[in-house]
Amino acid sequence: NAGVTQTPKFRILKIGQSMTLQCTQDMNHNYMYWYRQDPGMGLKLIYYSVGAGITDKGEVPNGYNVSRSTTEDFPLRLELAAPSQTSVYFCASSWLKGFRVGTGANVLTFGAGSRLTVL
Amino acid sequence: GIQVEQSPPDLILQEGANSTLRCNFSDSVNNLQWFHQNPWGQLINLFYIPSGTKQNGRLSATTVATERYSLLYISSSQTTDSGVYFCAVEGKGAGSYQLTFGKGTKLSVIP
Repeated sequence: NAGVTQTPKFRILKIGQSMTLQCTQDMNHNYMYWYRQDPGMGLKLIYYSVGAGITDKGEVPNGYNVSRSTTEDFPLRLELAAPSQTSVYFCASSWLKGFRVGTGANVLTFGAGSRLTVL
Repeated sequence: GIQVEQSPPDLILQEGANSTLRCNFSDSVNNLQWFHQNPWGQLINLFYIPSGTKQNGRLSATTVATERYSLLYISSSQTTDSGVYFCAVEGKGAGSYQLTFGKGTKLSVIP
């Protein structure tokens, strides 16, 4: 049981390049999330998904796109990378299907993070 | 949206000391979680605690939902407790279990 796996761990991009951060989970969680963490700050939600085929914007979605074709995978695409997208990105998942609110089933499990630098 | 304030922002402890970290939030919550981010960046859930008190070894947490705050207690601190502690909340009506994170408390435990 690997939990939440993100790739790559590190990446350097030039301004204007595009890339995809991969995220996969093997816990059969319904919900998946992408957060970014800037130095000295908490995490900010970029996009989330409540199930395959359903995605929605979080607090800071500009410059990013997501898709959710399967329960397991939730890739994050950066189009036209900008220096403001230099950050550490975390994928997370939660909510095992069939559990009720209040049981703790909506506890977040995070991936190890992906450090992205845009120069 | 809901606001989350954590205090203190930084804390330095001698090994063996106790500490209390505080999280204030601006509205009623469905969900409150405490996380520890270790010096290598890994985020681990410590507690799911929208109300009440829980204990796990040397760590315990209390949330007083009616007064909109939560406390994380660390007793007999160890160097491995170093890192950043985040409080994250989901406001009632936020929908889809979106958590809003505070800026964290950076804890340094020195031998």
